[in-house]
Amino acid sequence: AQSVTQLDSQVPVFEEAPVELRCNYSSSVSVYLFWYVQYPNQGLQLLLKYLSGSTLVKGINGFEAEFNKSQTSFHLRKPSVHISDTAEYFCAVSEISNFGNEKLTFGTGTRLTIIP
Amino acid sequence: NAGVTQTPKFQVLKTGQSMTLQCAQDMNHEYMSWYRQDPGMGLRLIHYSVGAGITDQGEVPNGYNVSRSTTEDFPLRLLSAAPSQTSVYFCASSDGAYSLYGYTFGSGTRLTVV
Repeated sequence: AQSVTQLDSQVPVFEEAPVELRCNYSSSVSVYLFWYVQYPNQGLQLLLKYLSGSTLVKGINGFEAEFNKSQTSFHLRKPSVHISDTAEYFCAVSEISNFGNEKLTFGTGTRLTIIP
Repeated sequence: NAGVTQTPKFQVLKTGQSMTLQCAQDMNHEYMSWYRQDPGMGLRLIHYSVGAGITDQGEVPNGYNVSRSTTEDFPLRLLSAAPSQTSVYFCASSDGAYSLYGYTFGSGTRLTVV
């Protein structure tokens, strides 16, 4: 069964420091991977996605993520964070069956807090 | 562009009351869906629609009804509200049936059932 694990529920980071938000998944088939960001009192926005090709994916706002198939991970990174990056981040995994049905599963989220 | 618009933003219901959460999009997206977000549980799919007149159940459909009479609108109905339905509800739309195209989310409806 497909599942997504975000081990860190909260991550505090000083401003201008680097950050890594971890995401691990389990699946028996090929998957597509996503990171979404939710700013306070807003809906989710797509940060980046991995569909195929290069395992290093660049997204908006200076974020990037690396797909590691052997470790079934899709960690999100940013070399230098800003106050405006304070938000909740969700990893999501999509499986599409041979019948064309999609199952999109979200992780439980990681709350990133930037400390001035 | 308005994107995905959800109304109301906040609602308090008494147990047993019914209500409709509204969702409208102006991007001509065929695919629309409803999620609920609960602390520590991420987002869970309630119902989805791949086009006008076509709906299907997601992971947690019990207690909710949907219909899709137009491409733009996808309302979510709570037939008899229960405290377990206290949650934040998000509507999302996509240009295709799969999340490969990326979802556009509304800003959410915070529902409290007392």
